[in-house]
Amino acid sequence: AQSVAQPEDQVNVAEGNPLTVKCTYSVSGNPYLFWYVQYPNRGLQFLLKYITGDNLVKGSYGFEAEFNKSQTSFHLKKPSALVSDSALYFCAVRDIKRAGSYQLTFGKGTKLSVIP
Amino acid sequence: DSGVTQTPKHLITATGQRVTLRCSPRSGDLSVYWYQQSLDQGLQFLIQYYNGEERAKGNILERFSAQQFPDLHSELNLSSLELGDSALYFCASNHRDSYNSPLHFGNGTRLTVT
Repeated sequence: AQSVAQPEDQVNVAEGNPLTVKCTYSVSGNPYLFWYVQYPNRGLQFLLKYITGDNLVKGSYGFEAEFNKSQTSFHLKKPSALVSDSALYFCAVRDIKRAGSYQLTFGKGTKLSVIP
Repeated sequence: DSGVTQTPKHLITATGQRVTLRCSPRSGDLSVYWYQQSLDQGLQFLIQYYNGEERAKGNILERFSAQQFPDLHSELNLSSLELGDSALYFCASNHRDSYNSPLHFGNGTRLTVT
């Protein structure tokens, strides 16, 4: 089965500093990877995805993610953190429970706190 | 706003009871997914429907069931509720069941079982 791991429960970063939220994956076959963000009392919002192509993927709100096949990682990054980026971040991998169907399997989530 | 609507937002009920959660997918989306989010288990995939038919099952208990109607809205039925069923239940949708199509999530229904 496909899986992702987010090794950090919480990441703290000062406003204006670069941020990184880590994710590693384990898949059989090609990895299809996603990042989502969840604000309090809200659903998950799609940030970006890696399907194929460039290892650096750009997404919403200035976020980007770097796909590294040799390290099986897909870390989320942003050059300059904002206080409004404080939220819960989920890495996800496309899973297949039944041939022809596709679901997402999520990591446990990382709470990002940006300190003013 | 994702375009996915879930009702009700909050639900408080007692053990042993039955509840129904409702989801309206984004306009034009054929595929609906249900997820459960809890502190200890994280986000767990429950079940998926595509154009009215069950597509895949995940960690869904036998006490839980779902269906997708001809107008594409979906309902998740939870019966014989236990304290451990207290969680946030999310519905998500996408246009077609493909490997590169992101899911769009509703704001969830928070279920509290007392």
